[in-house]
Amino acid sequence: DAGVIQSPRHEVTEMGQEVTLRCKPISGHNSLFWYRQTMMRGLELLIYFNNNVPIDDSGMPEDRFSAKMPNASFSTLKIQPSEPRDSAVYFCASNDPGSSSYNEQFFGPGTRLTVL
Amino acid sequence: LAKTTQPISMDSYEGQEVNITCSHNNIATNDYITWYQQFPSQGPRFIIQGYKTKVTNEVASLFIPADRKSSTLSLPRVSLSDTAVYYCLVADTDKLIFGTGTRLQVFP
Repeated sequence: DAGVIQSPRHEVTEMGQEVTLRCKPISGHNSLFWYRQTMMRGLELLIYFNNNVPIDDSGMPEDRFSAKMPNASFSTLKIQPSEPRDSAVYFCASNDPGSSSYNEQFFGPGTRLTVL
Repeated sequence: LAKTTQPISMDSYEGQEVNITCSHNNIATNDYITWYQQFPSQGPRFIIQGYKTKVTNEVASLFIPADRKSSTLSLPRVSLSDTAVYYCLVADTDKLIFGTGTRLQVFP
């Protein structure tokens, strides 16, 4: 298995532009998570889906952030409009709740976003 | 969700055993204790998980006392490649809350 796939790996954009981050979870995993990591705030859970349905989006910082999961193999995290304070590494993770390891999430390589 | 407390940083030398202790005084009955490892520029990686007593895998051991208010991650004979941040989490649902972790530096 290729693991969790994220694209792009790096994104540099200007303030005010729309940014779309993409994630392909591991096949067969039915939970998907979006995290953001910065030096100041550490690793924060933004939103997670179970069976393509958003379960908890309380970590989404504001209305400029939105996430979708149109099917079991694809999710997007969109920021519109982007701001410099959105600069961070965004991780996507997936897991199989039926696995023997209850809280084992598999993380992707992350997308490093820089907003100028 | 239970809050965890762990040392901000630890230093060790190659070949030594490293024990990282995490406090979780408010752990709930249904919570599992999970440890993750994160290398620079990578996402966190699951290391080990337990509910009580001792769990061992090919990477580490996890010791959990009877009251479950703390846990200790034990890394036997560390190498330079074990330099990373180690996170202790307790949760009974998919919602994991990562704290600041313990930054382990292994020296030659």
